[in-house]
Parts: sequence; C-alpha cells; structure tokens
Amino acid sequence: GENVEQHPSTLSVQEGDSAVIKCTYSDSASNYFPWYKQELGKRPQLIIDIRSNVGEKKDQRIAVTLNKTAKHFSLHITETQPEDSAVYFCAASFNDMRFGAGTRLTVKP
Amino acid sequence: KAGVTQTPRYLIKTRGQQVTLSCSPISGHRSVSWYQQTPGQGLQFLFEYFSETQRNKGNFPGRFSGRQFSNSRSEMNVSTLELGDSALYLCASARGGSPLEQYFGPGTRLTVT
Repeated sequence: GENVEQHPSTLSVQEGDSAVIKCTYSDSASNYFPWYKQELGKRPQLIIDIRSNVGEKKDQRIAVTLNKTAKHFSLHITETQPEDSAVYFCAASFNDMRFGAGTRLTVKP
Repeated sequence: KAGVTQTPRYLIKTRGQQVTLSCSPISGHRSVSWYQQTPGQGLQFLFEYFSETQRNKGNFPGRFSGRQFSNSRSEMNVSTLELGDSALYLCASARGGSPLEQYFGPGTRLTVT
C-alpha cells in the first residue's frame, strides 16, 4: 500500500516568514495530493489539493508543488500569521487515502 | 449544506467491551472513510465504504469492522476493546469518484479504561 513520509515533524517560524513542508510518497499510481490543517481539538480541514496532472497550484498565501518523477510534493505558506499555527497533514491517494505523520507549525508573533 | 456529523462525540468504555460509532456524510456523498488518530501514530486508515460495500481496508485487526447503509450513513464497530484502542476516530466523506476529495467529521473521542 501507499506510504507517505512528511518532514519536518515540527517547524517554528517568525510571523511574516515562509514555511515549507515536504512529503514523499511510494505508490506511483497516486493521483491526488491534499493538504489538511488541524487546529487543536478540531477536525482536519482541507486547505489545498493538487492532482497528478498539475505541477503547481496556488491559493492566496498557500501553494503546493508536485514532482511526479521524484514522487514528492510540498506545501508552501508565505507571510505566515499566528493563526497559521496548527498541525498540517499531507496525504496521497489513488484508491484510498494515506496520510503523513503531520507537521506541527508554530508561528511566533 | 450540513457537514459531516459523528455520534457520539465522547465515549468511555471498559476493556473487553464493544463499541459502535456512527457517521453521517455530507448530503450527496456516497463514500465514507474511517481513520484512527493517536498522538503517536497520526491518522491511520481503517476502511472505506462506497455504496454499502467496503472498497478499501487498512491494516487493522478483525476486531475493527464497519458497514454502510443505503442512505450512506456508516457505522464502525470495535469488539473486545483494548487499552490501545483509545483514540480519536474520524470519519470523512467524499462524493465517491476519483479523486477522493474528503471532508472530515468532528470525530469521536474513545477512551478505554
């Protein structure tokens, strides 16, 4: 089955800096790569996703890039704000969805 | 449109008992997936149901089972509970086609004592 690795496990940045989280996947058949944000005590929220036929997607301050050849994808958050502090999960899907272990992002004001 | 709902939100059970959790998907969604979330193991995939059939299954023992009804509502059951089953159980619904764009429910916090 699919195996997804996510790095780093924790990330601390100053407000206004950029944050980058990277994931690799093992199943070359995976064709959908969502990112979820989970705040403390809340459900995971889908924040952005990318399909395998697209190399990059941007939505305001967040962007995701996909390198199918290398089987890795990344989340980029620019101009970070304290409310961006949360755990972020990447996932890869072909038939089912497999998640990375999560990255705890802390944005210091 | 109402989001994914799960009941109950909190549950305390004793080792050896069994438990049933319920998930109601977003209207029009036919796929329901279940995940176990623990601090040490992250989000672990349990199984996915689509049109009342189990379509995919993760690496969990047979004590974990599920089903889906004709209205797409889903239940999961854990028999002979163990202390290690204490976790947040999340369900997620999707329309059912590919890709699997999933939306999560609030989860059921299960504590086994």
